[in-house]
Amino acid sequence: DVKVTQSSRYLVKRTGEKVFLECVQDMDHENMFWYRQDPGLGLRLIYFSYDVKMKEKGDIPEGYSVSREKKERFSLILESASTNQTSMYLCASSPTSKNIQYFGAGTRLSVL
Amino acid sequence: GENVEQHPSTLSVQEGDSAVIKCTYSDSASNYFPWYKQELGKRPQLIIDIRSNVGEKKDQRIAVTLNKTAKHFSLHITETQPEDSAVYFCAARIKAAGNKLTFGGGTRVLVKP
Repeated sequence: DVKVTQSSRYLVKRTGEKVFLECVQDMDHENMFWYRQDPGLGLRLIYFSYDVKMKEKGDIPEGYSVSREKKERFSLILESASTNQTSMYLCASSPTSKNIQYFGAGTRLSVL
Repeated sequence: GENVEQHPSTLSVQEGDSAVIKCTYSDSASNYFPWYKQELGKRPQLIIDIRSNVGEKKDQRIAVTLNKTAKHFSLHITETQPEDSAVYFCAARIKAAGNKLTFGGGTRVLVKP
């Protein structure tokens, strides 16, 4: 059974803080993704990675960066959190051989 | 890039009735169209998908149809049950984009008993 684990379910941070969201998958998947989910806007892709140390910008990368030092872990970084980054953040992984994306449970981030 | 529009944004149906959600996509190079279901407080999960070389696919009470000419695809749920209440997302993938998906805005379905 595929497991994608996000380190926190809820997170409250202050404006200007540096925020790290962690995602770990246990299925040796090559591809990992970070989305943010906002009502009416669906899932918008922030960054994705096809391999270790590799990253590609998604549709809304501004204000975010990522790190993938190990295959199983994909981190999303908010260098200086702002209130408009308050959202639900979802991580996903998928093997290159299949199109299915497996999602984590999400991290609800509030920036005050 | 790809753009996916999803309608309606909310859908309320009586238990036992059918529900239909429609998505349109912009890039004719898209070749894979999955549907994800997200129950309240849970993670999105794939429920059905269709490839561009197929016009229709069915799995028990759910079916997906694809019209490549019109660039739209639809999810059909028959004999709806309360457990079908959830948010449904459609998505599209351009073959050249690897496993990257572009999602629609989501449809909140409420099945009233």
